[in-house]
Amino acid sequence: AQSVTQPDIHITVSEGASLELRCNYSYGATPYLFWYVQSPGQGLQLLLKYFSGDTLVQGIKGFEAEFKRSQSSFNLRKPSVHWSDAAEYFCAVGGGNDMRFGAGTRLTVKP
Amino acid sequence: DTGVSQDPRHKITKRGQNVTFRCDPISEHNRLYWYRQTLGQGPEFLTYFQNEAQLEKSRLLSDRFSAERPKGSFSTLEIQRTEQGDSAMYLCASSPPRALEHEQFFGPGTRLTVL
Repeated sequence: AQSVTQPDIHITVSEGASLELRCNYSYGATPYLFWYVQSPGQGLQLLLKYFSGDTLVQGIKGFEAEFKRSQSSFNLRKPSVHWSDAAEYFCAVGGGNDMRFGAGTRLTVKP
Repeated sequence: DTGVSQDPRHKITKRGQNVTFRCDPISEHNRLYWYRQTLGQGPEFLTYFQNEAQLEKSRLLSDRFSAERPKGSFSTLEIQRTEQGDSAMYLCASSPPRALEHEQFFGPGTRLTVL
């Protein structure tokens, strides 16, 4: 069965610092992978997705993620965090009616 | 270009009451999904429509839950005899009729509080 693990429940970074959010997945075939962001009380907004091809994918708001099949990982990165990036981040695997989400990582940004 | 909309945004009800939520997907999106999200967790799949047909239901969807999409456009999710454990954010998502992409566009959610 497919599943997603986000090992970090909560991360705090200083504004301007780099960010990496971890995501590990379990999936029987080539996965579709997604990162979503959720601000308090809001729905989920897609940051980026990986279906095939180049393993480094660029997303919105300056985010990127790298698919590493050998490590079953799809970590999200940003070189310089802005205060507005404070939110909950969810990694997801699958798609359609078989989308599985991780439990999320809450990002706090210090001034 | 309007996104997925959900109504109401917040609902407070007493245990035992029935509640109904509405989701309007992006126009021309033929696939519609309902999820439940509890505090500190990611969304969990509840059910899925392709056009007006309900193709899959999660075991999370007890007999008290029912969802419809009568004309293949908007959808409703009804919870009968609500329980305190039903308190959660209910999210709706839609996706276009293109193969392989599977990207889902989410609405803002309906937060349900059962007292």
